[in-house]
Amino acid sequence: DAKTTQPNSMESNEEEPVHLPCNHSTISGTDYIHWYRQLPSQGPEYVIHGLTSNVNNRMASLAIAEDRKSSTLILHRATLRDAAVYYCILTRGGGADGLTFGKGTHLIIQP
Amino acid sequence: NAGVTQTPKFQVLKTGQSMTLQCAQDMNHEYMSWYRQDPGMGLRLIHYSVGAGITDQGEVPNGYNVSRSTTEDFPLRLLSAAPSQTSVYFCASSYRDRGANTIYFGEGSWLTVV
Repeated sequence: DAKTTQPNSMESNEEEPVHLPCNHSTISGTDYIHWYRQLPSQGPEYVIHGLTSNVNNRMASLAIAEDRKSSTLILHRATLRDAAVYYCILTRGGGADGLTFGKGTHLIIQP
Repeated sequence: NAGVTQTPKFQVLKTGQSMTLQCAQDMNHEYMSWYRQDPGMGLRLIHYSVGAGITDQGEVPNGYNVSRSTTEDFPLRLLSAAPSQTSVYFCASSYRDRGANTIYFGEGSWLTVV
């Protein structure tokens, strides 16, 4: 699977939008972009995924660059419960053979 | 709705002992997998299954066995525990959504090998 690059940590204030970046310059045409997050002492939680078009769901939005070499996870209004490690993951095809996790971005939310 | 259920949640083993981590899902998902997570690291894939009767190795399969006799269950067996297998283990199940797998993880099993 192609490699992703994320900042080690980011800080934001409660009730403000958060933009988490992910670079994936070696992405191929069939690679899906997935975002998962992991709260302390819990299993990872699915956030969102996309292929080419921007995606929205109840948790977040995914903005994908036109050349697909980068993407941004957008949390529209951060709460303290959003403090977690966020993983940006690419899968060749759908990812039936599992995910390759990097170190992710540790998001800190200030009250 | 139980989702993905793992047992036990905590376990201490002596070196050389064997044990089985149980995993069950009630969502009728075809795909299941096991990951381990060491302190400060991301998850690494141990084994996965794309359906009953079919299993395959992931990134770190050595020292572990799996079987998938039913859609619901995917146990992970440690054959002869070693201190290097001290880790948190996550079972997951997934389904196909808009061309890609959406994965649901269990709450984890904390294993210490002494």
